[in-house]
Amino acid sequence: DIQMTQSPSSLSASVGDRVTITCRASQGISNYLAWYQQKPGKVPKLLIYAASTLQSGVPSRFSGSGSGTDFTLTISSLQPEDVATYYCQKYNSALLFTFGPGTKVDIK
Amino acid sequence: EVQLVESGGGVVRPGGSLRLSCAASGFTFDDYGMSWVRQAPGKGLEWVSGINWNGGSTGYADSVKGRFTISRDNAKNSLYLQMNSLRAEDTALYHCARRSREVAAYAFDIWGQGTMVTVSS
Repeated sequence: DIQMTQSPSSLSASVGDRVTITCRASQGISNYLAWYQQKPGKVPKLLIYAASTLQSGVPSRFSGSGSGTDFTLTISSLQPEDVATYYCQKYNSALLFTFGPGTKVDIK
Repeated sequence: EVQLVESGGGVVRPGGSLRLSCAASGFTFDDYGMSWVRQAPGKGLEWVSGINWNGGSTGYADSVKGRFTISRDNAKNSLYLQMNSLRAEDTALYHCARRSREVAAYAFDIWGQGTMVTVSS
């Protein structure tokens, strides 16, 4: 099984800071990688798919990059409404998906 | 409005069974693959099971394989999850989720609010 790790597990940053979250796969997964934002008490929201494509309606301060085993989600200027847990998710094939363990983002 | 509404959750004893349902509206249901994703209290997201547009292909997480069965009825715009031999570790909020049809988007773009399953004696 391909394992997914995320780092850091949590972070605290100031409003306006650039924030980067990393997701790593134990084997190459091409660009079959998505990112979600889950605010407290809410359902997950798709931010990025195919590693770097912004989902419609998502603010442009969010961006994704990477291919193979290493991927990043970047928030160019952290806003108070970005407080959430962020998950990466990979697609294995044959209708198999796996989520990463999550990264909790707070405002300092 | 595009919407997914889950039902069927509840409290069940270990070893028991439950059938979850997800009613879809606001989109052409049989154009989309669907999945179930769960979240235990205070924990992360766990993909449980998925099904393609016509029910011809299914997939399961190792944690539920052999115990859970996913199905769909396109005439009723509904997705189902039959859960047997339930364990305490199956306690979670169960969401149904629509797989995006964007090119190369192996991801979930619409989520339901979820139905809670509690396995306890």
